[in-house]
Amino acid sequence: KAGVTQTPRYLIKTRGQQVTLSCSPISGHRSVSWYQQTPGQGLQFLFEYFSETQRNKGNFPGRFSGRQFSNSRSEMNVSTLELGDSALYLCASSPKTGYEQFFGPGTRLTVL
Amino acid sequence: AQRVTQPEKLLSVFKGAPVELKCNYSYSGSPELFWYVQYSRQRLQLLLRHISRESIKGFTADLNKGETSFHLKKPFAQEEDSAMYYCALSGVNYGQNFVFGPGTRLSVLP
Repeated sequence: KAGVTQTPRYLIKTRGQQVTLSCSPISGHRSVSWYQQTPGQGLQFLFEYFSETQRNKGNFPGRFSGRQFSNSRSEMNVSTLELGDSALYLCASSPKTGYEQFFGPGTRLTVL
Repeated sequence: AQRVTQPEKLLSVFKGAPVELKCNYSYSGSPELFWYVQYSRQRLQLLLRHISRESIKGFTADLNKGETSFHLKKPFAQEEDSAMYYCALSGVNYGQNFVFGPGTRLSVLP
């Protein structure tokens, strides 16, 4: 099976802009989770989607949002970008909630 | 609340020495526990999970419910074990998500 893929791999944006990141899970996986990884804060959970419904949400402001499509592909959107949003954004898929998570390579977002 | 702690940010050992990466958790109930590893320039990947009771790459981890710990051990460290290690917890009930610890960077010196 193909692994989790994320596009784009790298992004450079300026403050105030918005960005959309995409994640394609492993075929058959219905749960998709998003994480923000930074050197200072480590891995922080953003949200989880399962069958197009948001199941869990981490402690991030409303500027961070996501959605999942019927084919389980997921997108994450960040509006009104801030410098502190610069991070590696990881997507992980799983057959079901709480099960082993398979990670994508990440999207490196740089906000200037 | 779910929480995972890893007290060591960096652990350095010599090749051939035993290694133990500490992980403690807080959770009311019986969680699923995992160790993930991230080698340089590679994606985060599962190393082992407590319910499988496997030994992967010589690593083992025992769940101690009394001490709420899930320490990762290997009797003889290898240079290729140098990586970032994350302990993670998953609440098994609806609405509970994965929680990762802050990670421990293991450096195995020649």
